Amino acid sequence: AQSVTQLGSHVSVSEGALVLLRCNYSSSVPPYLFWYVQYPNQGLQLLLKYTTGATLVKGINGFEAEFKKSETSFHLTKPSAHMSDAAEYFCAGVMNTGNQFYFGTGTSLTVIP
Amino acid sequence: EAGVVQSPRYKIIEKKQPVAFWCNPISGHNTLYWYLQNLGQGPELLIRYENEEAVDDSQLPKDRFSAERLKGVDSTLKIQPAELGDSAVYLCASSLAVGQGPGELFFGEGSRLTVL
Repeated sequence: AQSVTQLGSHVSVSEGALVLLRCNYSSSVPPYLFWYVQYPNQGLQLLLKYTTGATLVKGINGFEAEFKKSETSFHLTKPSAHMSDAAEYFCAGVMNTGNQFYFGTGTSLTVIP
Repeated sequence: EAGVVQSPRYKIIEKKQPVAFWCNPISGHNTLYWYLQNLGQGPELLIRYENEEAVDDSQLPKDRFSAERLKGVDSTLKIQPAELGDSAVYLCASSLAVGQGPGELFFGEGSRLTVL
């Protein structure tokens, strides 16, 4: 089955600390991978995406993610958390040549002052 | 450029009543999606359109849910009759594939449904 798994439904970090949100995918072929952020009462907005090429992808707001085929992972990181980073984060993948997106169950990030 | 527009933002109805949601995608986006998002969960696909054609509606509960995308632009999602378990956020998204790979999804703000 093709799916995306996010480890940890809740993550808390101190302001200024490293943010690490985990995402693993299951697919027999390299997928297209995305990270989206959702603020309360809003829709999802794209943080970054991996399609082909460079495996380290930089996104908005200082976030980046690295595609690791050997680990089937696409973890999201940010060196220094800011209070405004508190939100829900979703990893998503498109596992074939179609347009069907598979979303993870989300990780709620809390930033402690 | 205007984003994906959804209405209404909030809707409260009694069970067994009908409800409809409307979505206007980004101009030129040929693919339109309706997702269901329960509290604390990720979006789950209800239906995907490529232009006017519903290419994936396998997760749409067809006994009570219906959708249409006339002229390949705006779309409506209807529930009739609504049940308590339908309380959720209904998200609309659109995309345009350019080059290799799928186009990114652009989401509307969602329509929050409460069924009493």
